[in-house]
Amino acid sequence: QKEVEQNSGPLSVPEGAIASLNCTYSDRGSQSFFWYRQYSGKSPELIMFIYSNGDKEDGRFTAQLNKASQYVSLLIRDSQPSDSATYLCAVTATTDSWGKLQFGAGTQVVVTP
Amino acid sequence: KAGVTQTPRYLIKTRGQQVTLSCSPISGHRSVSWYQQTPGQGLQFLFEYFSETQRNKGNFPGRFSGRQFSNSRSEMNVSTLELGDSALYLCASSKGTRQDTQYFGPGTRLTVL
Repeated sequence: QKEVEQNSGPLSVPEGAIASLNCTYSDRGSQSFFWYRQYSGKSPELIMFIYSNGDKEDGRFTAQLNKASQYVSLLIRDSQPSDSATYLCAVTATTDSWGKLQFGAGTQVVVTP
Repeated sequence: KAGVTQTPRYLIKTRGQQVTLSCSPISGHRSVSWYQQTPGQGLQFLFEYFSETQRNKGNFPGRFSGRQFSNSRSEMNVSTLELGDSALYLCASSKGTRQDTQYFGPGTRLTVL
């Protein structure tokens, strides 16, 4: 079992709709949770981070964390063609591994006009 | 504030050779983490350096090594290159503290022939 799991997609989303991305992790001691966006041929770009249970909103993005269910999600509201990318979920596993991110395989999102 | 820089951006080597990649973190950041990204394995953690010391290490063979200098710049070295080492090598910088965020450089694309 992989430590961080995501649906690989592609997730096809009509322009203006909500894209919902999911991520589960296996280490119950995980401390910090991140969402990165990666365009083809580019490096990952941080878009959200969340540390506590609940929701965190930043513009069109909302991250949701449920530590009891070991689940973190990302919602993209009013999806735009420029949101078409691969979204990577990343987790820092334990308190002494702050510099080590464990990544999921990524979910490819395609926003269709 | 300048971002993370990596040099060179592209490299072509042959099997058996060795290669050194360089990463300059964001000013004030003391932690540099290195990752390998391939289509088959995704993003995998190599190692992290904090204040010139290796703080975390991933599951890669000893051919992969790194170091960090007093100005926080970091290098990674791969000796005796194999075809499977062809990948995008990414470094990420952070302050290195708990619940910190990592920012990625543009990466070095290594091709081993």
